[in-house]
Amino acid sequence: SQKIEQNSEALNIQEGKTATLTCNYTNYSPAYLQWYRQDPGRGPVFLLLIRENEKEKRKERLKVTFDTTLKQSLFHITASQPADSATYLCALGGVYNNNDMRFGAGTRLTVKP
Amino acid sequence: GAVVSQHPSRVICKSGTSVKIECRSLDFQATTMFWYRQFPKQSLMLMATSNEGSKATYEQGVEKDKFLINHASLTLSTLTVTSAHPEDSSFYICSARDWRYQETQYFGPGTRLLVL
Repeated sequence: SQKIEQNSEALNIQEGKTATLTCNYTNYSPAYLQWYRQDPGRGPVFLLLIRENEKEKRKERLKVTFDTTLKQSLFHITASQPADSATYLCALGGVYNNNDMRFGAGTRLTVKP
Repeated sequence: GAVVSQHPSRVICKSGTSVKIECRSLDFQATTMFWYRQFPKQSLMLMATSNEGSKATYEQGVEKDKFLINHASLTLSTLTVTSAHPEDSSFYICSARDWRYQETQYFGPGTRLLVL
């Protein structure tokens, strides 16, 4: 069956450390993968997109990797801050057509001061 | 840029009534809009894809007669929950795709629906 699994429901880290979130998928062949941030009671906010032919993407303190052999994406936040506390969603895109996007359940990150 | 609004942000209604939720792209044209629902601590579940000027495409298991979608213009899509029941209570989120950047979806702030 098709699955999108994000490593853990919740992740707690200390301020200043690097947070690493994992997104694994099975029985999908996405053309691209996106990461979103969602705060409680709010809609998701787009962070980064990485395509199947790209290995790594960076944006400020964020870094995303995409390994189509392992069927895995890693999302890193360096020098984490309490303001980074939120739920982070990975989404597979272009699975069935260009419109299609399937979301993981998310990982709730808490950065403690 | 790329702002999507939803109205209302929160609605409480009695069982059996209909509720309309609006989704607008404020600073771009959206040929495609999406409607999702999200239960607590769960992922976003795609309900339907709506293309301007044509009928919406519903995901398997989503009743098209219960969740009416109208995408009348390039900046507005509406979702009407007809004859709402308590099990329809959820967080409904729309997203819009900017025709210039086909891969990224921009999400609205969501609408919390509570059916009593």
